[in-house]
Amino acid sequence: KAGVTQTPRYLIKTRGQQVTLSCSPISGHRSVSWYQQTPGQGLQFLFEYFSETQRNKGNFPGRFSGRQFSNSRSEMNVSTLELGDSALYLCASSPDRADQETQYFGPGTRLLVL
Amino acid sequence: GQQVMQIPQYQHVQEGEDFTTYCNSSTTLSNIQWYKQRPGGHPVFLIQLVKSGEVKKQKRLTFQFGEAKKNSSLHITATQTTDVGTYFCAGRSSGNTGKLIFGQGTTLQVKP
Repeated sequence: KAGVTQTPRYLIKTRGQQVTLSCSPISGHRSVSWYQQTPGQGLQFLFEYFSETQRNKGNFPGRFSGRQFSNSRSEMNVSTLELGDSALYLCASSPDRADQETQYFGPGTRLLVL
Repeated sequence: GQQVMQIPQYQHVQEGEDFTTYCNSSTTLSNIQWYKQRPGGHPVFLIQLVKSGEVKKQKRLTFQFGEAKKNSSLHITATQTTDVGTYFCAGRSSGNTGKLIFGQGTTLQVKP
């Protein structure tokens, strides 16, 4: 099976702009989670989607939003970008069965806000 | 809210020495997972522990889940340069539908 794919891989934006990141999970996986990774803060949970519904949400401002489509693909959007939003954004998919909760991570999108 | 703390943040060892990273949760966990992220890469799943007091081994890696299901450890025996990377623990407090909260990670450097 193909792994989790994320597009774009690299992105440069300026403050105030908005950005949309895309994630295609492993075929058959219904759960998609998003994480922000920065050197100082580690892996911070953004949100999790399951069957097109947001199941869990982290402690990020409303500028961060996401959605999941019927084919399980997911997008996250960040509006009014700030310098502090510069980070690696990782998407992870999971089969989401009681015995299989492993998160399979994509390569990430590296976002730089100038 | 739920917090997962990991120590140490960094560890430098000589090749052949042992290494241990510890993970502590503020709440009881339903399970704990361990991931490894190589420099420039993304986290890769290593193992999941579910039962109180569980111990699992993968070659030179030994994983433990505490009796109270609030702490865990990863021990590497006789480190090799291929062990370099950041090791994350991640805990879920509410079955398989709660948030998966990651620790800050322990970055391991191995000197040949």
